[in-house]
Amino acid sequence: GAGVSQSPRYKVAKRGQDVALRCDPISGHVSLFWYQQALGQGPEFLTYFQNEAQLDKSGLPSDRFFAERPEGSVSTLKIQRTQQEDSAVYLCASSPGQTDTQYFGPGTRLTVL
Amino acid sequence: SQELEQSPQSLIVQEGKNLTINCTSSKTLYGLYWYKQKYGEGLIFLMMLQKGGEEKSHEKITAKLDEKKQQSSLHITASQPSHAGIYLCGADTSSGNTGKLIFGQGTTLQVKP
Repeated sequence: GAGVSQSPRYKVAKRGQDVALRCDPISGHVSLFWYQQALGQGPEFLTYFQNEAQLDKSGLPSDRFFAERPEGSVSTLKIQRTQQEDSAVYLCASSPGQTDTQYFGPGTRLTVL
Repeated sequence: SQELEQSPQSLIVQEGKNLTINCTSSKTLYGLYWYKQKYGEGLIFLMMLQKGGEEKSHEKITAKLDEKKQQSSLHITASQPSHAGIYLCGADTSSGNTGKLIFGQGTTLQVKP
């Protein structure tokens, strides 16, 4: 079946704009994770959902970051009033269960000017 | 400081040569994952190790988790240009096995034909 998909693949925003990044997990996967990857670094955990419940949001860098998964499938990561330091690749991963192997999407590359 | 340290940070090898990438943690690893990433793309799952002393192989890539579960190595035999990319180790270091992964900074591999 289809893997994890993310859209848009690339997003350029002016500083101060709001952005919304979408993740379509593998069908039937209960767990969904968001990571942020800065240039030349490994991904860093942002938040985690089990079905529609957001069980861990300890990695969100500020209250400008908000994630939701209202029906337990598609998830959206929203960043309000974007800043230049938000420029990064945002990766989504899904897994059948919380501790199963995570399968990653291609990422959304966000550039804030 | 990185909780997971990878070495080397980058590697250039001649096609056909063997190579090893290391991933070291100061904490016990509960689930160690190896992923490969090509520039601008998402992470491709390679292997997962859980038990101390465990070793897994896929085609020409072998990964091991040491007995103390604090270090893993990824070994590529007879490297090919298709092996080029960024190799990332990721791990769950929480005893509760939350599924939340931390990653090393990555090892960039170039294979010269």
